[in-house]
Amino acid sequence: EAGVTQFPSHSVIEKGQTVTLRCDPISGHDNLYWYRRVMGKEIKFLLHFVKESKQDESGMPNNRFLAERTGGTYSTLKVQPAELEDSGVYFCASSQDLGVKYTEAFFGQGTRLTVV
Amino acid sequence: GNSVTQMEGPVTLSEEAFLTINCTYTATGYPSLFWYVQYPGEGLQLLLKATKADDKGSNKGFEATYRKETTSFHLEKGSVQVSDSAVYFCALHRDDKIIFGKGTRLHILP
Repeated sequence: EAGVTQFPSHSVIEKGQTVTLRCDPISGHDNLYWYRRVMGKEIKFLLHFVKESKQDESGMPNNRFLAERTGGTYSTLKVQPAELEDSGVYFCASSQDLGVKYTEAFFGQGTRLTVV
Repeated sequence: GNSVTQMEGPVTLSEEAFLTINCTYTATGYPSLFWYVQYPGEGLQLLLKATKADDKGSNKGFEATYRKETTSFHLEKGSVQVSDSAVYFCALHRDDKIIFGKGTRLHILP
């Protein structure tokens, strides 16, 4: 079974440009999460989808970030316009919705974004 | 609020040495606790977990015990290998999200 896949693995863009990150969760996983690690700091929660709906977007840093999950399958995270402080590693994770307190989240390899 | 604090790295050890990476947490109630590992070039992987007080999680020779009285979840391994070189993240699960520590980079020298 394929795991969580993210694309691209690495992106270098100039300040002011737009970048779109993609995440394909494990098939059948309704929960999809985006996290970000800025260099040397914690991995921080950005947002959580349940199917196509945004369950919690309290971690989104500002309105330059837009996440979508049309059809409840893959998700995209767009940064427009990108700023230097957006550089970091963006992780996606997915989990099943079993109606219990905790189900294991599986993470992708991450996309390393560098804004120059 | 909820937070995780783990020891700063990098940690450099010789092969077969004993490893401890300290982790403490602040949270309301009784969160589930985790250690994740990121090997070079790979994604985050769940290493072990504990869901209630006094539970011991273990995997690949690593262990961590959920200590409610000290709000700690220290990671230990009796004899590390070069292949254990990675970044280790302590984390807790609360309100349907995972809260991570800053990560500890571990280097094992042959």
